[in-house]
Amino acid sequence: GNSVTQMEGPVTLSEEAFLTINCTYTATGYPSLFWYVQYPGEGLQLLLKATKADDKGSNKGFEATYRKETTSFHLEKGSVQVSDSAVYFCALSEARGSARQLTFGSGTQLTVLP
Amino acid sequence: KAGVTQTPRYLIKTRGQQVTLSCSPISGHRSVSWYQQTPGQGLQFLFEYFSETQRNKGNFPGRFSGRQFSNSRSEMNVSTLELGDSALYLCASSLDASGPGNTIYFGEGSWLTVV
Repeated sequence: GNSVTQMEGPVTLSEEAFLTINCTYTATGYPSLFWYVQYPGEGLQLLLKATKADDKGSNKGFEATYRKETTSFHLEKGSVQVSDSAVYFCALSEARGSARQLTFGSGTQLTVLP
Repeated sequence: KAGVTQTPRYLIKTRGQQVTLSCSPISGHRSVSWYQQTPGQGLQFLFEYFSETQRNKGNFPGRFSGRQFSNSRSEMNVSTLELGDSALYLCASSLDASGPGNTIYFGEGSWLTVV
């Protein structure tokens, strides 16, 4: 079956530090990959996505590149802000016929200190 | 454009009771899915509906059920509540375009506490 493995948290960084959150996946086919973010007390918001190998998703200074050869989709940001403090989830979607479902990693808690 | 709307946002139920949660998808979205989020198990897929038909189901007991109406609104029901059902229940919607790259949008969730 499909699975997503994320870097264990929590991660604590100072403002303007560089961020990397590792994500690797196992899938039987050719999935699409996503990063979602969850702020305290809220639902999930889509941060970025990539649908094929070597695609780079980007949004709000965050980037992730779909690496098929290493089955990875690491999240990066060059300079984090306090407002980036949240839980980040890596996920994959592999359509099976008409069915659609996301498989999530365990989430990585990020805290950015001023 | 309104997002995915879930009601109620917070509720407390007693063990053995049942609960119904409601979800209104983004206008034009025909696929609705439900996820359970707990600290121990993380985010787990419950089921997906399209055109009032369940297309896919996760590994949950039969106490968890759902349905979708002709206007794409969805409800999920949990009967005979157990303490372990305490969780954030997230509804998500998407266009039913072909291919797995179709983006799935989430609501803010319904926080269920079972006492």
